[in-house]
Amino acid sequence: EAQVTQNPRYLITVTGKKLTVTCSQNMNHEYMSWYRQDPGLGLRQIYYSMNVEVTDKGDVPEGYKVSRKEKRNFPLILESPSPNQTSLYFCASSHQLTSIGTGELFFGEGSRLTVL
Amino acid sequence: AQSVTQLDSHVSVSEGTPVLLRCNYSSSYSPSLFWYVQHPNKGLQLLLKYTSAATLVKGINGFEAEFKKSETSFHLTKPSAHMSDAAEYFCVVSYTGGFKTIFGAGTRLFVKA
Repeated sequence: EAQVTQNPRYLITVTGKKLTVTCSQNMNHEYMSWYRQDPGLGLRQIYYSMNVEVTDKGDVPEGYKVSRKEKRNFPLILESPSPNQTSLYFCASSHQLTSIGTGELFFGEGSRLTVL
Repeated sequence: AQSVTQLDSHVSVSEGTPVLLRCNYSSSYSPSLFWYVQHPNKGLQLLLKYTSAATLVKGINGFEAEFKKSETSFHLTKPSAHMSDAAEYFCVVSYTGGFKTIFGAGTRLFVKA
C-alpha cells in the first residue's frame, strides 16, 4: 500500500531534549516536505526537499533541521525543542515535480508533539 | 509576496443544500491550485487540482472548483452537502519556478441534519 509513515504519532517531551520525527514514503517520490499545523494558521511549511541531498527552507524553518540521505526518508530534527514548537506535524511527499510546482501531495497521519 | 486567503473560517450548511468555500490567492507567477480535505484526526487528502488546463476542475465526492484569473479566485463548490462532508478544507498554492507550498488558514465545514 502506498503510504507516508511518520513516527512517533504522539510525543511529550521537555524543553531542550533533542528529538527526531521520522518520515518514510514507499512511492519513490522525489519531493518531500514538512509542515506544522496550528489552530487558525493552517499548515506552514518548515523545510522541503526536491531530491536526495537537496533541501531548502520553507516559511518557518527556525529551530528545525532536516536531512535527505535516502530518497525514501526525510527526518525532522528538533535540536533543542521549546514550548512554541508544540504543534501537529505533517510530512508529505509528491510524485511530480513540474515546471509549475509540485503535484499532488500525499500526507502522513501526523505527529502530535508537546514540549513542556 | 505570495499568499492564500480563505475568506470564511467556518461555514455551516444543511444537508442537501449547496456548499461554497471561498479562496483567493495573490500571485506574481502562474500557480498550481489545490483543495485538500482533512477529517478529524486524519491527514490531508486531495480533493482536486488546477494546473492550467480547464478552468473548471472536477474532483472527488462531487466537489468542483473554478479558476478565475481575473478575480484571483479558486472557490470550491458542491451542489448538495452530505453529512460526511463535515471536515476542514484547505486551499493550497504552489508556484512556478519554486516548490514552496502555501496553505490557506482553512475553512471548517459543518453540515446540519
